[in-house]
Amino acid sequence: NAGVMQNPRHLVRRRGQEARLRCSPMKGHSHVYWYRQLPEEGLKFMVYLQKENIIDESGMPKERFSAEFPKEGPSILRIQQVVRGDSAAYFCASSLGVNSNQPQHFGDGTRLSIL
Amino acid sequence: DQQVKQNSPSLSVQEGRISILNCDYTNSMFDYFLWYKKYPAEGPTFLISISSIKDKNEDGRFTVFLNKSAKHLSLHIVPSQPGDSAVYFCAVSYNQGGKLIFGQGTELSVKP
Repeated sequence: NAGVMQNPRHLVRRRGQEARLRCSPMKGHSHVYWYRQLPEEGLKFMVYLQKENIIDESGMPKERFSAEFPKEGPSILRIQQVVRGDSAAYFCASSLGVNSNQPQHFGDGTRLSIL
Repeated sequence: DQQVKQNSPSLSVQEGRISILNCDYTNSMFDYFLWYKKYPAEGPTFLISISSIKDKNEDGRFTVFLNKSAKHLSLHIVPSQPGDSAVYFCAVSYNQGGKLIFGQGTELSVKP
């Protein structure tokens, strides 16, 4: 009964390095969402993907951030040339669809720390 | 510009009493409303939701009320239990899908 799986749980990077965060949705779910939670704040939407397609990336920073959800394998959130301000908890969610009886279910997050 | 506000950062309630968590939103186009519960170092867990065509939805100890004219959402937990102690987030969306917009959260503490 696997829920949304995120790895790694903790990731430490030095400024300028790349961070790759992975998310495997719940079985049967083809809709994936990424959110970021900065310290002392709520979750902020970043991007919504459906297999091989980006549906809504209105919350993604314009530079250094990208996301993909390939036909096979997990969804990847990639942050290039990380800076201190990227330190946050990154949560992935998945859903079966986008109707009101199909809520988003979240993974336990990846906590990214930038040295 | 906060579209979803939870004005109480924290709430303390005695075990067995009712907990009422509140949420206000600004956009009348929102049509799907959810509550999530979050423990430290874990992801949010879905609790209950309501669509804009209803004004109440109940699931066990949890009831969500929607007042569209006031743009106000509330979650009632009765009776409250110590295991309910967590941060509670309200979230909204429109077109009944896609991205969720979250409030800042309310930390609930239920004392034995």
